Amino acid sequence: EVQLGESGGGLVKPGGSLGLSCAASGLSFSDTWMTWVRQAPGKGLEWVGLIKSKPDGGTTDYAAPVKGRFTISRDDSKDTLFLQMNSLKTEDTAVYYCSVGRDALHVWGQGTEVTVSS
Amino acid sequence: SYDLAQPLSVSVALGQTARITCGGNNIESKNVHWYQQKPGQAPVLVIYSDRNRPSGIPERFSGSNSGNTATLTISRAQAGDEADYYCQVWDSSTLVFGGGTKLTVL
Repeated sequence: EVQLGESGGGLVKPGGSLGLSCAASGLSFSDTWMTWVRQAPGKGLEWVGLIKSKPDGGTTDYAAPVKGRFTISRDDSKDTLFLQMNSLKTEDTAVYYCSVGRDALHVWGQGTEVTVSS
Repeated sequence: SYDLAQPLSVSVALGQTARITCGGNNIESKNVHWYQQKPGQAPVLVIYSDRNRPSGIPERFSGSNSGNTATLTISRAQAGDEADYYCQVWDSSTLVFGGGTKLTVL
């Protein structure tokens, strides 16, 4: 069974930084494209970005609102996905989910909550 | 950017059929995926690539995609189907979600 577990959420001031992790198990992580999705309180789902598997180039794509501020990376030796968030804004407040998939998102973690507030 | 339009809410009587639409320009040329999200929980994939059900999803859930509209159909609606539903496609190397539809089972 594929399982994902996010960690690292918390309260941060505007302009600050925070790093999230997503530990994966039950899959061939190194062959898997991974995606971050967020959901602001009371709002819908919003794509944050993705990282391709290294066999597919290992490159990243980002949604416009986070491009230049957020960085997605992976450590295939530890089956772990990362999201480094810099220059955080109040509108980045959300639950952040990691997920598995390159088209449909077949498995999701439980999410980790990020609050950006002074 | 590519936009997906969903109704804010849909209501269905217990045991009847609910249809949730997802509108987009020539959406039939794209693979459409559907997620169910219950309060306080992570989303769950219920239909992928227009009409395919992941393992564990009841046959009551089905999908179609034609022209400018994709549709998620839930037959014999149950109280446990009450949730938010989101459609999703890929467009120009970005992942796009619809705004979500709240399904109420009466």
